Amino acid sequence: AAGVIQSPRHLIKEKRETATLKCYPIPRHDTVYWYQQGPGQDPQFLISFYEKMQSDKGSIPDRFSAQQFSDYHSELNMSSLELGDSALYFCASSLVGGNTEAFFGQGTRLTVV
Amino acid sequence: SQQGEEDPQALSIQEGENATMNCSYKTSINNLQWYRQNSGRGLVHLILIRSNEREKHSGRLRVTLDTSKKSSSLLITASRAADTASYFCATDGTGRRALTFGSGTRLQVQP
Repeated sequence: AAGVIQSPRHLIKEKRETATLKCYPIPRHDTVYWYQQGPGQDPQFLISFYEKMQSDKGSIPDRFSAQQFSDYHSELNMSSLELGDSALYFCASSLVGGNTEAFFGQGTRLTVV
Repeated sequence: SQQGEEDPQALSIQEGENATMNCSYKTSINNLQWYRQNSGRGLVHLILIRSNEREKHSGRLRVTLDTSKKSSSLLITASRAADTASYFCATDGTGRRALTFGSGTRLQVQP
């Protein structure tokens, strides 16, 4: 079965650069979530989209933005990168009206140097 | 702030033993889910228990939920070395579908 696809898997950026992470949800899933997980930390919710509209917002810095496109894929844009942004970034998808189980991608490991 | 606190933070057992992990949460929930994460890898969904359920089984996994105490437990029976991972509970509350994760339990199963 198709899973959540994230790209790239690894990304190295310098401070103050920008980064774009992509997420392709499971087909027919209508909700996408973004999470950030620092080293040894629990996943922190950043933002979610339902049917291409922002549905919930967590601890997402103002330097970050995200959107969901007509084909339901989502992109997380990160600007003015800081060393503290180094983390695993996970995307998850689920189906509203289903069991709300969220299925996670393998994540993008962002390293800011 | 974290919704859930997990207990213990780390657990080391021998293969064949049972492992019990606990999770507490603070607000009303619709569902509680348990996830597993191997080091640096993605989160794998294990089991979902609804707020009106008290116990659920899936293979070697047994999950209980006590909404009056706002707590849940995950029991892994007859553990295997391959069960070594971090285990997180996550809740979605009324009015918010996004999952809020607890701090996780690192389970080490010694062969």
